[in-house]
Amino acid sequence: KAGVTQTPRYLIKTRGQQVTLSCSPISGHRSVSWYQQTPGQGLQFLFEYFSETQRNKGNFPGRFSGRQFSNSRSEMNVSTLELGDSALYLCASRPGTGANQPQHFGDGTRLSIL
Amino acid sequence: DQQVKQNSPSLSVQEGRISILNCDYTNSMFDYFLWYKKYPAEGPTFLISISSIKDKNEDGRFTVFLNKSAKHLSLHIVPSQPGDSAVYFCAASATGNTPLVFGKGTRLSVIA
Repeated sequence: KAGVTQTPRYLIKTRGQQVTLSCSPISGHRSVSWYQQTPGQGLQFLFEYFSETQRNKGNFPGRFSGRQFSNSRSEMNVSTLELGDSALYLCASRPGTGANQPQHFGDGTRLSIL
Repeated sequence: DQQVKQNSPSLSVQEGRISILNCDYTNSMFDYFLWYKKYPAEGPTFLISISSIKDKNEDGRFTVFLNKSAKHLSLHIVPSQPGDSAVYFCAASATGNTPLVFGKGTRLSVIA
């Protein structure tokens, strides 16, 4: 069974640009969550989507947005990039939204802002 | 406000000995707890979980203990192996529409 796939793996952008990251969940998983990981920090929750609806949003500015498609694939977008947005962005999927369902992570997209 | 805390940034253990990783939480609504392992350049991998109705869960060399009154959980790895060297994240969630909350991780080094 294929795992969570994130593309691209690495990305370099400059300040002010915008970026779109893609995530394909495990087949059959309908919930997709996004996290940001920066050095010295744990995983900071960005948002969760289920059946194309955003169920939850973390404490991030409106420059961070996402969406989910009918095939459960998800994208996240960051506009007007800032140096502090440099991070590893992780996508995770699970079958549903039950609290006792572990998240399964992709290998992430490493975003560097110059 | 850090709801899940891993107070030890790093831990070194000799091969064959026990590794004990600790995690504290502040939110009494948390009722499901997980441990993830992360190697460099890879995403976190789910390791083991425990529900608040239990105080222990075991899976092979990995055992998680939960002390609800102390709001504390720990992961025991016995015996530790060099391949266990990784960053371990503790995470917690509450029933309902709440996201998973992660600690900052503990880097475990198992020395041969």
